[in-house]
Amino acid sequence: NAGVTQTPKFRILKIGQSMTLQCTQDMNHNYMYWYRQDPGMGLKLIYYSVGAGITDKGEVPNGYNVSRSTTEDFPLRLELAAPSQTSVYFCASSYGTGVYEQYFGPGTRLTVT
Amino acid sequence: QQQVKQSPQSLIVQKGGISIINCAYENTAFDYFPWYQQFPGKGPALLIAIRPDVSEKKEGRFTISFNKSAKQFSLHIMDSQPGDSATYFCAASGQTGANNLFFGTGTRLTVIP
Repeated sequence: NAGVTQTPKFRILKIGQSMTLQCTQDMNHNYMYWYRQDPGMGLKLIYYSVGAGITDKGEVPNGYNVSRSTTEDFPLRLELAAPSQTSVYFCASSYGTGVYEQYFGPGTRLTVT
Repeated sequence: QQQVKQSPQSLIVQKGGISIINCAYENTAFDYFPWYQQFPGKGPALLIAIRPDVSEKKEGRFTISFNKSAKQFSLHIMDSQPGDSATYFCAASGQTGANNLFFGTGTRLTVIP
């Protein structure tokens, strides 16, 4: 199993551009998550999903959108990128009800200039 | 608003010493308290976790101490090794959403040979 994979690993965006961060898991997990990690701030939840077709906002959803059309994929869309979105983005997954452990991908380092 | 407060921000320990990281929370609905370990350039990985029905959990050199009345929990790393040098995050979850985790701000541990 590859676990949770994320692409790209690095990306530089200009202000106002858009992009999609890809996340795929091959563990047949029901729950998936997107976090951003900023220095000294820990990880903040952006969006999460409890299954295909179901998504909901986390702590810091503004400026982002998600979709979950399949169990495996959970892309994160940035529209009109802003410097405040410069961060490291992590996707994670977990089995589902009653199981709390989350498995994280390797991250995407995004710079908006 | 930081739901889980973590200290210290950084910690330097001699090889063979004990590393102690502390966390505090306010939400009494939290019922799962994990610690994640993160190496540079990697995603966080679950190290050890505890439920509030026990006061201590030990796995090898890693121990969680939990004080429900004080709403505090801590990670103790015995016989610290240079390979333990990483950033450690405490977190808490209360079965909301997709068992969403609220993370502390992280502690960068450096173990000096």
